[in-house]
Amino acid sequence: EPEVTQTPSHQVTQMGQEVILRCVPISNHLYFYWYRQILGQKVEFLVSFYNNEISEKSEIFDDQFSVERPDGSNFTLKIRSTKLEDSAMYFCASSESTGVGNTIYFGEGSWLTVV
Amino acid sequence: AQRVTQPEKLLSVFKGAPVELKCNYSYSGSPELFWYVQYSRQRLQLLLRHISRESIKGFTADLNKGETSFHLKKPFAQEEDSAMYYCALSGNSNTGKLIFGQGTTLQVKP
Repeated sequence: EPEVTQTPSHQVTQMGQEVILRCVPISNHLYFYWYRQILGQKVEFLVSFYNNEISEKSEIFDDQFSVERPDGSNFTLKIRSTKLEDSAMYFCASSESTGVGNTIYFGEGSWLTVV
Repeated sequence: AQRVTQPEKLLSVFKGAPVELKCNYSYSGSPELFWYVQYSRQRLQLLLRHISRESIKGFTADLNKGETSFHLKKPFAQEEDSAMYYCALSGNSNTGKLIFGQGTTLQVKP
């Protein structure tokens, strides 16, 4: 069964550094997402992306964050100037469509630790 | 405001006991409700959705619009059901965004 894959599985970075988290969505999917989960808290929506544009973003997704689909297969989340509170599990997800009956498939997550 | 509430962080039952994982939501329109499950060291995966009205791995969930609830039930818990369960809501935004509850850890003891 096709899966969403994410790299790296775990990254440790120093505060203030830039981080790029990478994702390969399922190949025929058109909608891409990033979610994050701070330890002990709920999974939170960050951003959705369709047709090379952000279609929706949350309050969390400020100017520090950006997303890109640099080629036909990868979908990246960039965090500029990381802060301690950016430490979290970041999940990439993808779906064929939106709306009723749609299924969103998640990757295994990238655990980011900012020190 | 759109919100999903799972009041229990941990639910511990013995094998063979009935299970009910509670989920309440707040949404002004007609949401689609889901249960996602995360087994140890695995990814989040869809367990079931309210529009399918199906039973998956013995689990069922009925949408109660009057009580704004979508509780997950199973009559006889198995040890392999031990996992983290998340209730989630999708609204009418057409962007596919999901709003998750806090999650409930189900622990099934032998």
